[in-house]
Amino acid sequence: AQRVTQPEKLLSVFKGAPVELKCNYSYSGSPELFWYVQYSRQRLQLLLRHISRESIKGFTADLNKGETSFHLKKPFAQEEDSAMYYCALSGPGANNLFFGTGTRLTVIP
Amino acid sequence: EAGVAQSPRYKIIEKRQSVAFWCNPISGHATLYWYQQILGQGPKLLIQFQNNGVVDDSQLPKDRFSAERLKGVDSTLKIQPAKLEDSAVYLCASSSYREPGGEQFFGPGTRLTVL
Repeated sequence: AQRVTQPEKLLSVFKGAPVELKCNYSYSGSPELFWYVQYSRQRLQLLLRHISRESIKGFTADLNKGETSFHLKKPFAQEEDSAMYYCALSGPGANNLFFGTGTRLTVIP
Repeated sequence: EAGVAQSPRYKIIEKRQSVAFWCNPISGHATLYWYQQILGQGPKLLIQFQNNGVVDDSQLPKDRFSAERLKGVDSTLKIQPAKLEDSAVYLCASSSYREPGGEQFFGPGTRLTVL
């Protein structure tokens, strides 16, 4: 069965500090992994996906198949990064997403 | 481009009543999804349409939930009768079929409260 685990419901960091949001997954096969973000009063939106291997808003995420992890990282947190972050997976070539429970990140000025 | 539209934004009903939600996806997006997000949890897929055909409805409680997508554009999700545990935000999303595993665009959601 597929599972996405985000162990931290809440995470607070100071502005300028590094931030890491953890995501572990369970899937029999090679899934596609995503990070979605929801800023206050805004819609859920895609932040990045592992197949793109790109950095968005200073965030990166590396897929570690050995540890089945897809942690989201940013070297220097900004106040505007405060949001709800969801890790999600889908089967290869599929469209439907399976979400984790989310981590609320607060960046303290 | 205009985003995914949903209505109503909020709905309060009593248990055993019926309710319907409407979604208009991004123009040209063949794939449409309905998610249920209970407080404190991530979105859970209820049903996925490709054009006007159902691709996945394995998580849809079919004894009370129904959904349709006439003409492959707008979609409605209905709950009849509602239960207390149906209180949640119902999210609609759409994506382009040309990009499997690609970005899903979400609507603002409908917050349902069942009393």
